[in-house]
Amino acid sequence: EAQVTQNPRYLITVTGKKLTVTCSQNMNHEYMSWYRQDPGLGLRQIYYSMNVEVTDKGDVPEGYKVSRKEKRNFPLILESPSPNQTSLYFCASSLPPHGRDEQFFGPGTRLTVL
Amino acid sequence: AQSVTQPDIHITVSEGASLELRCNYSYGATPYLFWYVQSPGQGLQLLLKYFSGDTLVQGIKGFEAEFKRSQSSFNLRKPSVHWSDAAEYFCAVDLGSQGNLIFGKGTKLSVKP
Repeated sequence: EAQVTQNPRYLITVTGKKLTVTCSQNMNHEYMSWYRQDPGLGLRQIYYSMNVEVTDKGDVPEGYKVSRKEKRNFPLILESPSPNQTSLYFCASSLPPHGRDEQFFGPGTRLTVL
Repeated sequence: AQSVTQPDIHITVSEGASLELRCNYSYGATPYLFWYVQSPGQGLQLLLKYFSGDTLVQGIKGFEAEFKRSQSSFNLRKPSVHWSDAAEYFCAVDLGSQGNLIFGKGTKLSVKP
């Protein structure tokens, strides 16, 4: 089954404790992206990757890092999480983005930073 | 800056009634337009998309949307709502460069029995 998986689905952590949220897709998509969803703000892009070893900032990259060492994986790293990073995070993937192709979303990771 | 506006935060309709969810975008050219649905606790699922051609597009679950260039709108419609349609709906535009979907803030749909 074609899908985007994220782990963990739920995470409660404390300020400053480094964490990684994994994202994996099995559709051989070149493009992957991370969004955060906050009430009243919709979804906002954090980082995206056009292909292996090619990443770039989205609209809200502060406090986050990403890496793309393999085509299928695109982990999101919070080196020193803060309470304002409490949010619902979605990973997405698609064919190379020329705007036409649907982005497939993972199920989301709900992160709480205390 | 490009933006997407969904003016209705929350809409309640009766089961069997018709539905229209509004979406307006701000962009010089015609962007690629999408409607996604998010059921409680779920990720986002694509309902339909518009790239070019016929301005009335059909999607899954009986939804359709009409692109109106003169009004910069892409409203979502359904003739008869089912209780299972209760969810949050997001309009999004893709400018086709970095693949960044710009989302509206969403409209939460509640369905009365």
